[in-house]
Amino acid sequence: AQSVSQHNHHVILSEAASLELGCNYSYGGTVNLFWYVQYPGQHLQLLLKYFSGDPLVKGIKGFEAEFIKSKFSFNLRKPSVQWSDTAEYFCAVNAGASGGSYIPTFGRGTSLIVHP
Amino acid sequence: EPEVTQTPSHQVTQMGQEVILRCVPISNHLYFYWYRQILGQKVEFLVSFYNNEISEKSEIFDDQFSVERPDGSNFTLKIRSTKLEDSAMYFCASSYRVMNTEAFFGQGTRLTVV
Repeated sequence: AQSVSQHNHHVILSEAASLELGCNYSYGGTVNLFWYVQYPGQHLQLLLKYFSGDPLVKGIKGFEAEFIKSKFSFNLRKPSVQWSDTAEYFCAVNAGASGGSYIPTFGRGTSLIVHP
Repeated sequence: EPEVTQTPSHQVTQMGQEVILRCVPISNHLYFYWYRQILGQKVEFLVSFYNNEISEKSEIFDDQFSVERPDGSNFTLKIRSTKLEDSAMYFCASSYRVMNTEAFFGQGTRLTVV
């Protein structure tokens, strides 16, 4: 089955700084890729998703992610963060073919704190 | 917008007691999941449920755990005899199909075993 690694566990930024959160997965077949966000006290919400097509995916609140198949990566980016982006960010992957699992598999999460 | 709801939001229980965590998935969804997150650790898959039976479970989901969809709308997770290490946030999720769609998550139940 697949696994997911998120490299940055804690990120602290000032408002207007650029953000990039790393996500790598291990699975060679067809994958669905996701970034979820969890604001303090709230549920996991979908930021963006990739199923197929254009590898640059745009999500809500100005976030985007790029799927690079050769690097097994799906990094999340935002050019200018806001205080309201303070949250926990989770990368997830599911896979449908032999050897993979359709169960969404999560990374450990990255805690982002944005100082005003 | 339809959402997954979980109750209670927070439960404190004594070690050895049984707990039932409840979830109401989105009504036209067919696949249901439970995950847990121990404080500071990753979100871990527990079990998936489809067509009224468990379709996949992790090593964590041992005989102390069970799931049920008793009435066609609720989806419950039961822990028979809680241990201290069961303290975690438990998330329920549902999806319409297994690929090319996202899972929708509830707000979670924070279980504290004392």
